[in-house]
Amino acid sequence: DAGVIQSPRHEVTEMGQEVTLRCKPISGHDYLFWYRQTMMRGLELLIYFNNNVPIDDSGMPEDRFSAKMPNASFSTLKIQPSEPRDSAVYFCASTTEGGTYNEQFFGPGTRLTVL
Amino acid sequence: SQKIEQNSEALNIQEGKTATLTCNYTNYSPAYLQWYRQDPGRGPVFLLLIRENEKEKRKERLKVTFDTTLKQSLFHITASQPADSATYLCALVNQAGTALIFGKGTTLSVSS
Repeated sequence: DAGVIQSPRHEVTEMGQEVTLRCKPISGHDYLFWYRQTMMRGLELLIYFNNNVPIDDSGMPEDRFSAKMPNASFSTLKIQPSEPRDSAVYFCASTTEGGTYNEQFFGPGTRLTVL
Repeated sequence: SQKIEQNSEALNIQEGKTATLTCNYTNYSPAYLQWYRQDPGRGPVFLLLIRENEKEKRKERLKVTFDTTLKQSLFHITASQPADSATYLCALVNQAGTALIFGKGTTLSVSS
């Protein structure tokens, strides 16, 4: 299996622009998580899905952030409009039945820089 | 709210020694705790899970303990090697059982 796939790996954009991050979970995994990692705050959960349905989005910082999972093999995290403080590494992770009780498989991350 | 702290940002040891990393938590009792390894530019990789009713868990050169009285987990790497150099993250499930709360990690450097 290829593991969790994320694209792009790096994104540089200007403040105010829309940014879309993409994730393909491991086939057969029914939980998908979006995280953000910064030096200051560490790794924070933004939102997670079970069977394509958002379960907990309490970690989404603001209305500028939105996430979708239109099918079992694809998810997007969108920031509109982007701000410099959104600069971070964004990770997608997936796991099987048992959700947070099972080991999570992380993608390589997308490094976002907002100028 | 639940808080998780890893005792130091960086730990430097010599090859062959045992590395011990600490994870402390407050405000509740998690059902289990996980440890992950993260290399620069990569996502975290799962290492071990230990449940509240398990005092100790081993996997090759790794050992994890879980003391629910002290609210602490210790992560040991015996006979450490330069290849063990990485950042190690501990993670607890939150009280609602809906999310993992990660510590900020301890960066281990093993010198030869």
